[in-house]
Parts: sequence; structure tokens; C-alpha cells
Amino acid sequence: GAVVSQHPSWVICKSGTSVKIECRSLDFQATTMFWYRQFPKQSLMLMATSNEGSKATYEQGVEKDKFLINHASLTLSTLTVTSAHPEDSSFYICSAQGTDSTDTQYFGPGTRLTVL
Amino acid sequence: QKEVEQNSGPLSVPEGAIASLNCTYSDRVSQSFFWYRQYSGKSPELIMSIYSNGDKEDGRFTAQLNKASQYVSLLIRDSQPSDSATYLCAGRDDKIIFGKGTRLHILP
Repeated sequence: GAVVSQHPSWVICKSGTSVKIECRSLDFQATTMFWYRQFPKQSLMLMATSNEGSKATYEQGVEKDKFLINHASLTLSTLTVTSAHPEDSSFYICSAQGTDSTDTQYFGPGTRLTVL
Repeated sequence: QKEVEQNSGPLSVPEGAIASLNCTYSDRVSQSFFWYRQYSGKSPELIMSIYSNGDKEDGRFTAQLNKASQYVSLLIRDSQPSDSATYLCAGRDDKIIFGKGTRLHILP
């Protein structure tokens, strides 16, 4: 149980284009999903917290107009990187938190974004 | 004090020995605690969660929580080269807060 998927697993795009990443909880309902970014050899950086049916809460320094988050259902959240630039190249990881009392976060496998 | 602190390492441990990973936390983080393992280029995977004082064992892994001293540790018995990874400690206030991770290297 507690499987989280991400799609795509990797993507290469041209500068200026937009990229959408999907995060799905496959066998549980996730009221809250989180989006992280991780640069090589650095720690996880929380970008935003997404609650189903409401606007995402962004961490300080994260541009909400550039990183659009939609959490339309209890099993799906999407992150859209708009007008991507080479500096947005990174490993994007989502996690989903179930509704049980433990509030454990389960991570997706990540999406490696390369912007040329 | 940062909410969750870990020594970045690397921690080198001979194969077959016990690897001990430590984490301290601030007053803000007071509820659930978690250990995740992250291999290079991969996303974190949950190893163990612990909520109350004492030890919790799962196979070769033992998590220890001491709320009075505000530390949580992870022991890995009979360390294997496949245990070489970065280990993330996490605690919760209104959301889960991660430490920066400790790199563990098991020497064959």
C-alpha cells in the first residue's frame, strides 16, 4: 500500500515552454500533497503544500505564478512549471499524506526536468 | 536551533557493523518522527516512523526516540553495502520538517 506515482519520470524541454508534472496516490486518498525540488547533492526543498480543493500554500521565495499547482481530487495533484528556463532544471518530487492518524508522507519516484 | 538537525557526514561504517545515525530536534517539532532513505538520483523512501519514547525495531533497523533529550536515532545492524545512501530524519509540527540528511557509506 501507500504507492505514489509521478508522470513523467523525466522530461527535456526547450526554454520558454511549460511542463506539467502529475502526482497520483494510487491506493489511498491524499488530502494533502507536497511538492519538493532537489538540486544535485543538495537537500530536499519544500516548494508548496497542496490541499484538495483549495489553493496551494507556497514556501517563501517560490513564485506561485511560475509553479502552478492544482489539487483537483484526493488522488491527483499537478505541478506546472511555466516558461521554464535552464535554472529550473532539477529533480521534482511529490509526496502524499494520507488521512490516517500517522500523517506519514509517501514520496513519488520524482521527475527529472532538464530545460535546454 | 534548526527544527531538525543532522550531521551531514559522510559516515563510514565497515560492512557487518552497526551504523548509528542521529538527529536532534527543536521544541517546535514534537509529534511524529520519521526516517527516510534516499539513494542518489532517487526519491526518499520511508524506513520507519516512531511516535513514542523508546525503541522500535523492524528487521535490521531500530529507531530510538528520546523526547526528554530531543533526539531520535536510527541503528542499522549488520550493515550492507546496499545501505549506502543518504538518511533523512523528519519530524512534524503542522507539517513534516526534514533534516538535511546524513550520507552513510558502508565499506565492503
